[in-house]
Amino acid sequence: NAGVTQTPKFRVLKTGQSMTLLCAQDMNHEYMYWYRQDPGMGLRLIHYSVGEGTTAKGEVPDGYNVSRLKKQNFLLGLESAAPSQTSVYFCASRLGRSQLGEQYFGPGTRLTVT
Amino acid sequence: KNEVEQSPQNLTAQEGEFITINCSYSVGISALHWLQQHPGGGIVSLFMLSSGKKKHGRLIATINIQEKHSSLHITASHPRDSAVYICAVEGSDSGAGSYQLTFGKGTKLSVIP
Repeated sequence: NAGVTQTPKFRVLKTGQSMTLLCAQDMNHEYMYWYRQDPGMGLRLIHYSVGEGTTAKGEVPDGYNVSRLKKQNFLLGLESAAPSQTSVYFCASRLGRSQLGEQYFGPGTRLTVT
Repeated sequence: KNEVEQSPQNLTAQEGEFITINCSYSVGISALHWLQQHPGGGIVSLFMLSSGKKKHGRLIATINIQEKHSSLHITASHPRDSAVYICAVEGSDSGAGSYQLTFGKGTKLSVIP
């Protein structure tokens, strides 16, 4: 049981390049989330999904797109990277409507845009 | 939007000391989470609580719903407790049952031998 995994762990992009971050979970969780973490700020929600085939915007969605074609995977895309998207990205998952509401986090992806 | 404030921002303690980290929030919530972020970056959930008190080993979390305040206590602190501790709240009106979290900026704890 690997929990939540993220690919890649590190990436350097040039401004304007595109990339996709992959999040995978093997816990059969319904809910999945993408966050970014920047120095001096709390984690902020980019997009989330409440089930396969559904996605919704979070607090800071601009410049990102997401897809949840399979229940276990949640992809975060940057179509045209900007230096402001330099950050550490975390994926998390949670059981569906349940009292057991803790979120399980992936190890993070450190992205630098030059 | 809920505002989550943590104090202190940084905390240095001697091994064995009793530690308290505080969290306050501005509007009603359905649950409050305490998370630990290791120096290597990984984030793990410590507690989720909606009332009262929870204990796990040397860690104790309390919440006062009326005062919109929670505390995380560490008894007999140890250098391996050195980490960033993050408070997060789940709003009672979390959009369409999304269980979104709003996070504090974290408290960096260093425990010196």
